[in-house]
Amino acid sequence: DSGVTQTPKHLITATGQRVTLRCSPRSGDLSVYWYQQSLDQGLQFLIQYYNGEERAKGNILERFSAQQFPDLHSELNLSSLELGDSALYFCASSPEPTRELFFGEGSRLTVL
Amino acid sequence: GIQVEQSPPDLILQEGANSTLRCNFSDSVNNLQWFHQNPWGQLINLFYIPSGTKQNGRLSATTVATERYSLLYISSSQTTDSGVYFCAAPNSNSGYALNFGKGTSLLVTP
Repeated sequence: DSGVTQTPKHLITATGQRVTLRCSPRSGDLSVYWYQQSLDQGLQFLIQYYNGEERAKGNILERFSAQQFPDLHSELNLSSLELGDSALYFCASSPEPTRELFFGEGSRLTVL
Repeated sequence: GIQVEQSPPDLILQEGANSTLRCNFSDSVNNLQWFHQNPWGQLINLFYIPSGTKQNGRLSATTVATERYSLLYISSSQTTDSGVYFCAAPNSNSGYALNFGKGTSLLVTP
């Protein structure tokens, strides 16, 4: 158990819909990262937050957004879903200054 | 950003065999991690190894930062070692978030 909690574990929805994925980082970690893993793209970095502020952006689509709340949990919002958004979405957290990443179990999203 | 390349892409071993997985990276790093993704999709930390050698049971890893590569050794492999092994290095262009290689898919047969 990495200490990073993600919900839901599985989600099935339809094209055009909107979903929210939730992540609670390890106790004491201020940084949260979101990654997408699809069969054809591998593990792709989406976005990072540090203590409530956006720190870095990767290959995140404009239809996707995220935030980190004062209690440090984070949410990833995916809207206007397309079939190609079906993937495993991981959240990770890390302590400073090592920035060693610890991953949650992922949320598997299926868009039908 | 930093490029991470792993080899071999696929590996089949008989239980009890040893193997070496390689990770090359295109730039100097101050962090390198190895992960195991099990058949259920979980990403498990194996090593945080920016340089030097570490051992954990039947697994060990060595990073030679000056030559930009890292090796993961699996000894006396077991069927539970099956899965995909990823190495990842920080990308200075994206806040030092980790860039992942494409992984080595390992199957250990009884």
